[in-house]
Amino acid sequence: EVQLVESGGGLVQPGGSLRLSCAASGFTFSSYSMNWVRQAPGKGLEWVSYITSNGNTIYYADSVKGRFTISRDNAKNSLYLQMNSLRAEDTALYYCARGLTGDPLAWVGWGQGTLVTVSS
Amino acid sequence: EVVLTQSPATLSLSPGERATLSCRASQSVSSYLAWYQQKPGQPPRLLIYDALNRATDIPARFSGSGSGTDFTLTISSLEPEDSAVYYCQQRHNWPPVTFGPGTKVHIK
Repeated sequence: EVQLVESGGGLVQPGGSLRLSCAASGFTFSSYSMNWVRQAPGKGLEWVSYITSNGNTIYYADSVKGRFTISRDNAKNSLYLQMNSLRAEDTALYYCARGLTGDPLAWVGWGQGTLVTVSS
Repeated sequence: EVVLTQSPATLSLSPGERATLSCRASQSVSSYLAWYQQKPGQPPRLLIYDALNRATDIPARFSGSGSGTDFTLTISSLEPEDSAVYYCQQRHNWPPVTFGPGTKVHIK
């Protein structure tokens, strides 16, 4: 069974930084591309970032480009999101998500999310 | 960026009724359209991918159709547990992957 557990969220001041982690189990993590998706309180879903299985290809939403960095450690079965220069509009529940075998963008595996609140 | 619009914003129906949810893309996304269900306090759940393929363990009452710019999610006979927000998502012209704003289904 696919299990994804996010951590690292919390309250941070505008301009601050946080590093989110996603611990994966129940599947061969190194074989799958991974994504971060966020959801502001009471709002819809927004894709944040994508990384291929070997980390060689990375994409970001324009809203986070230059501020967020996605990475992974396949030896530790972990996905990360380094978030710098945080803004109030980054306040959201952050999910890591895994796609179907052969379809990395149809997200069948989701964690429960970790909440990031950017406020002074 | 492909913009997805969903209609209606809210749907209120009784158990056993048929629900028809629409998703329209600002440009063709071929068949690269998925549907997700999200209940309060839960992460999204993949229902349909590639416009018409049900994900594993999704009941047969959920079906998807369409291609190009117009897509439909049909719930053939509503159950009380189908109360949720439903999102469409495109992955044809990406990045970015984009979502529609959602349709809230309320079971009377």
